[in-house]
Amino acid sequence: DTGVSQNPRHKITKRGQNVTFRCDPISEHNRLYWYRQTLGQGPEFLTYFQNEAQLEKSRLLSDRFSAERPKGSFSTLEIQRTEQGDSAMYLCASSIRLAASDTQYFGPGTRLTVL
Amino acid sequence: GDSVTQMEGPVTLSEEAFLTINCTYTATGYPSLFWYVQYPGEGLQLLLKATKADDKGSNKGFEATYRKETTSFHLEKGSVQVSDSAVYFCALRDTGNQFYFGTGTSLTVIP
Repeated sequence: DTGVSQNPRHKITKRGQNVTFRCDPISEHNRLYWYRQTLGQGPEFLTYFQNEAQLEKSRLLSDRFSAERPKGSFSTLEIQRTEQGDSAMYLCASSIRLAASDTQYFGPGTRLTVL
Repeated sequence: GDSVTQMEGPVTLSEEAFLTINCTYTATGYPSLFWYVQYPGEGLQLLLKATKADDKGSNKGFEATYRKETTSFHLEKGSVQVSDSAVYFCALRDTGNQFYFGTGTSLTVIP
């Protein structure tokens, strides 16, 4: 098991372009989370999936953001019409649902820079 | 809404000093509490956790006790090492399985 992987690791784009990030969770982990982290701040929750179902979505997630996990394995996060304020590190984490415990394992993140 | 407030940094300590990083939380219900660590150039890693009141989480010499009466989960270590230099994040998981993180506290340990 190689842990949570994210691709790409870095993305530079121009304002107004669409970008898509991919997250591959630890196999057999049925929960998958997306977070955004800006410099000097902690991760902000965006959304999470249990298997293929998107169960929670933060109010921070504007209509320009969409996430999918079509087969309950990898997930994609798309940002449409990017804005400079979208520049951040996008983190993915996965976990396996166990009674009274939900330890998340984080990926290395995708750093997005919007010019 | 639920939230976590942690001590602002940066914190600089000499090797073998005692460490406390304060964390308090606001939550409805009975959240689980976590400390995550981010070493330079690496991703977030779980350091320790506690799932109910009075539980003590511990790992690598670090400890934190879930105090419901003071809504706190302070991180402590009796004797820090240079290798403990990192950013530490306090977090809670609410009953709806959403996670809330603090802003992080940067620790630098000097020899």
